[in-house]
Amino acid sequence: AQSVTQLGSHVSVSEGALVLLRCNYSSSVPPYLFWYVQYPNQGLQLLLKYTTGATLVKGINGFEAEFKKSETSFHLTKPSAHMSDAAEYFCASSRSAAGNKLTFGGGTRVLVKP
Amino acid sequence: NAGVMQNPRHLVRRRGQEARLRCSPVKGHSHVYWYRQLPEEGLKFMVYLQKENIIDESGMPKERFSAEFPKEGPSILRIQQVVRGDSAAYFCASSPTHGQDYEQYFGPGTRLTVT
Repeated sequence: AQSVTQLGSHVSVSEGALVLLRCNYSSSVPPYLFWYVQYPNQGLQLLLKYTTGATLVKGINGFEAEFKKSETSFHLTKPSAHMSDAAEYFCASSRSAAGNKLTFGGGTRVLVKP
Repeated sequence: NAGVMQNPRHLVRRRGQEARLRCSPVKGHSHVYWYRQLPEEGLKFMVYLQKENIIDESGMPKERFSAEFPKEGPSILRIQQVVRGDSAAYFCASSPTHGQDYEQYFGPGTRLTVT
């Protein structure tokens, strides 16, 4: 069975500082990996995804993530935090493309301090 | 293009009543997924449907919960005899049938409160 673990349920960063959100997955086969962002009282928006190919994936809003099979990790980073990045972030995995359920981590709530 | 639509956005039910949540997928999408987000938790998969078929309901509670995705019309998640523990945000997502460019598109959710 798949599982996704996000280290740190809350992260506080200063505006302009590096954002690093950690995600580790457990899967018997390399999964498909996703990062979603959820703003208050809204649905989830896809930031980026890894399916196959290049292990460094660039997404929207300046975010990127690197798939490291040896570490079973898919950490999300952004070089410089903006106030608008305050939200909850979810890492998720799927066993394959199209037609499979997503397994989510517990989420990390990001607070950006001015 | 309209995204995934869910209604109602907020639903209040008394214990013992029925809750019906509706989801209209992105036009042309034939896969629908329902997820539940309990307070302070991540999303948990409930059920995966294609038109007129339930493909995977491994996350659905065995009793009181049912889902359908008819040939015409929205997908419906039905909760009978609601209890306080059903209070949560219920999200619907849809995806296209095929393609390497796989992504689930999420709706804004229905927030169910059971009083």
